[in-house]
Amino acid sequence: KAGVTQTPRYLIKTRGQQVTLSCSPISGHRSVSWYQQTPGQGLQFLFEYFSETQRNKGNFPGRFSGRQFSNSRSEMNVSTLELGDSALYLCASRAWNDGYEPFGYTFGSGTRLTVV
Amino acid sequence: GIQVEQSPPDLILQEGANSTLRCNFSDSVNNLQWFHQNPWGQLINLFYIPSGTKQNGRLSATTVATERYSLLYISSSQTTDSGVYFCAVERRTGTASKLTFGTGTRLQVTL
Repeated sequence: KAGVTQTPRYLIKTRGQQVTLSCSPISGHRSVSWYQQTPGQGLQFLFEYFSETQRNKGNFPGRFSGRQFSNSRSEMNVSTLELGDSALYLCASRAWNDGYEPFGYTFGSGTRLTVV
Repeated sequence: GIQVEQSPPDLILQEGANSTLRCNFSDSVNNLQWFHQNPWGQLINLFYIPSGTKQNGRLSATTVATERYSLLYISSSQTTDSGVYFCAVERRTGTASKLTFGTGTRLQVTL
């Protein structure tokens, strides 16, 4: 069973540009979440999607957005990039059983974004 | 929001030594996970342990939800155990959920 796949692995962008990151969850997992990791702030929650609906959103500006497709793949977009957006962006997927109880999160290898 | 504290922040061990990492959290949680972040940045799931004790090889974990803490035990440490260990707790509000991470314990295992 393939794990959570994130693309690209590395990205260098210029201030003011926008970027789109992609995440393919484990087959059968309908829940996808995104996290940002920086040395100063640690690991912080960005969004959670389930069956194409955003169920939860972290405390990030509106420049950060995301979506989930019908095949559960997810993308996140950051517009008008700032130097402080340089970070490791991690995606996680999880399964839910028929009783609507979740299993643990499985993380991808991340996308390392550098803004110059 | 919920606060998650991990201790110690840094730990240096000789190969073969045992260690205990602690995670305290400030409120009741639905679930708790321990992760190991490898040098390439990937978070590897170690345990999904809302309560009780689990063991996997040289690693074991115990969560005492009523007292709001969890412990990760590493026995007979190896150099490959080096890295950062994170505790993350989950609080669900209706259908919304998210993980709140601690600041991690950086472990270095030396020969």
